[in-house]
Amino acid sequence: NAGVMQNPRHLVRRRGQEARLRCSPMKGHSHVYWYRQLPEEGLKFMVYLQKENIIDESGMPKERFSAEFPKEGPSILRIQQVVRGDSAAYFCASSQSLLATNEKLFFGSGTQLSVL
Amino acid sequence: GIQVEQSPPDLILQEGANSTLRCNFSDSVNNLQWFHQNPWGQLINLFYIPSGTKQNGRLSATTVATERYSLLYISSSQTTDSGVYFCAVFSSGSARQLTFGSGTQLTVLP
Repeated sequence: NAGVMQNPRHLVRRRGQEARLRCSPMKGHSHVYWYRQLPEEGLKFMVYLQKENIIDESGMPKERFSAEFPKEGPSILRIQQVVRGDSAAYFCASSQSLLATNEKLFFGSGTQLSVL
Repeated sequence: GIQVEQSPPDLILQEGANSTLRCNFSDSVNNLQWFHQNPWGQLINLFYIPSGTKQNGRLSATTVATERYSLLYISSSQTTDSGVYFCAVFSSGSARQLTFGSGTQLTVLP
């Protein structure tokens, strides 16, 4: 029973390039959440998706960042024209149903993005 | 939105000691979870505990929802307990995702 799978584990990009982070939720989970963790800080919510729908993107920067969770395939967090301030660990989490219905959240191992 | 405060921010223990970590939150919650982030960055779900008490081995947690706090107890600490402990809450009155506290950095010395 595989857990939440994220890839790549480490991603190095130069300023101005694009970064694509992938997340496959646990089997049977249809709710995906992306969080960002800056060094020495807690996790900050970015976006919450269900299959083919963005439910809440209140934590996502308005420019350069986008997320999708297609009907088939993993969820993708895309960062265009990366800047040094985007360097962080990006975590994906999944749940089977709504968190309001007493669900536990399970995290992937994260993608460490480094922008040179 | 809901505010989550954890204390202490840092804690250093000798192996074998006990500790209590606290999480205060500013609104009523439907969902509260404790996580351990190990030194390799992995986040492990320790407890789902919106109210009451649960135990799992040397760890236990208590949430007093009416007073808006939760406690995580670690007994007979081991070096492998080192890492950051996060409390995360979900309040139906705010956003539809878990809001994390800033964490407690625990270091257990051999």
